[in-house]
Amino acid sequence: GAGVSQSPRYKVAKRGQDVALRCDPISGHVSLFWYQQALGQGPEFLTYFQNEAQLDKSGLPSDRFFAERPEGSVSTLKIQRTQQEDSAVYLCASSIHYGKQETQYFGPGTRLLVL
Amino acid sequence: TQLLEQSPQFLSIQEGENLTVYCNSSSVFSSLQWYRQEPGEGPVLLVTVVTGGEVKKLKRLTFQFGDARKDSSLHITAAQPGDTGLYLCAGGSQGNLIFGKGTKLSVKP
Repeated sequence: GAGVSQSPRYKVAKRGQDVALRCDPISGHVSLFWYQQALGQGPEFLTYFQNEAQLDKSGLPSDRFFAERPEGSVSTLKIQRTQQEDSAVYLCASSIHYGKQETQYFGPGTRLLVL
Repeated sequence: TQLLEQSPQFLSIQEGENLTVYCNSSSVFSSLQWYRQEPGEGPVLLVTVVTGGEVKKLKRLTFQFGDARKDSSLHITAAQPGDTGLYLCAGGSQGNLIFGKGTKLSVKP
């Protein structure tokens, strides 16, 4: 595909369930980012990968959130024991390299609703 | 902590009107980016401004970076319904982006 893809697009979970959100970045992009966007807010940084290395996870809100990118391509964001406050759109972005002026290309997001 | 404040939060105008939205911070950013996000989609980059005082034009959109690199503005001339969307500014001293809350623009025909 030409752009960043994410799946599923929508996910409804019961409180306490575990969920896994997938991101397929643009082929060849070294950097991959996860953001959380609550309703009516701008995206907030969660974590960053350079190839398979998770170099920054300072934005993850709790130890229930875990992300991986084992082969330096596809990434998965896992949320354990989901809570209602986890309801948000989870955006994935990729860029060719890492840097302050690098363009980040965003996927359409996964909209998570925790009941 | 670096924060970006955007104003106004909501803007509803008629087709053909001009508008300006603002992005302000107490911190200096090495660059600022403007994105547009439509419902159900991810943000799409419009422009990156790097130099203090820089002005960039993209058709009917004019972007300005403040001299002190703490603020930016987006001006739209003769707005059209297709301009409707959420306009986000984002900055960062590294590769991670810090986003404002956005300005939700509605242009009515």
